[in-house]
Amino acid sequence: QQQVKQSPQSLIVQKGGISIINCAYENTAFDYFPWYQQFPGKGPALLIAIRPDVSEKKEGRFTISFNKSAKQFSLHIMDSQPGDSATYFCAASMGWGAQKLVFGQGTRLTINP
Amino acid sequence: NAGVTQTPKFRVLKTGQSMTLLCAQDMNHEYMYWYRQDPGMGLRLIHYSVGEGTTAKGEVPDGYNVSRLKKQNFLLGLESAAPSQTSVYFCASSYPGQGAPSPLHFGNGTRLTVT
Repeated sequence: QQQVKQSPQSLIVQKGGISIINCAYENTAFDYFPWYQQFPGKGPALLIAIRPDVSEKKEGRFTISFNKSAKQFSLHIMDSQPGDSATYFCAASMGWGAQKLVFGQGTRLTINP
Repeated sequence: NAGVTQTPKFRVLKTGQSMTLLCAQDMNHEYMYWYRQDPGMGLRLIHYSVGEGTTAKGEVPDGYNVSRLKKQNFLLGLESAAPSQTSVYFCASSYPGQGAPSPLHFGNGTRLTVT
């Protein structure tokens, strides 16, 4: 039972292009939606996160778009750079206590120079 | 300040053997977690702890046990390893959020192969 579905599994983008990764969730009780970035041999690290009371959050070149009615959210990476090549995971959780994150399947992003 | 440290980094076990994975954090975080990462499945929560002496089951707890005797350490045990437990294991920690959930800080993982 995959409560958070992520697509695509892999993505290749040219340097300077826009990378878009999509996620859909099922549990309407989720109220926190982070994105984690993982480089080979390392653990995931928080990139950006959003709460459902806003439709968009931007931090530098990274933007989360959130559609509560469709139960979907996406990550947009503007002006993609080779250093952005990594695996990206969307996730969801509820409450402010221990973050029992439910992760998507992951997207391997490659930025070609 | 090392953050979250996992030992060992790599391990090969034979079916039926047992082992313990150690996680140590130096950030004085209350919460600690064990996840496993498998290709095409993302990360799945095995067990977690909200404080010293407490543990709780996550999404995929079967075949694993945990202990949190000290606040800074969280141990994951495999009593009788099975090939299905071949995976990369990640430990993480976080603190109680104030106004918003706090991020998870992950270690660099333990790659376990069960033959």
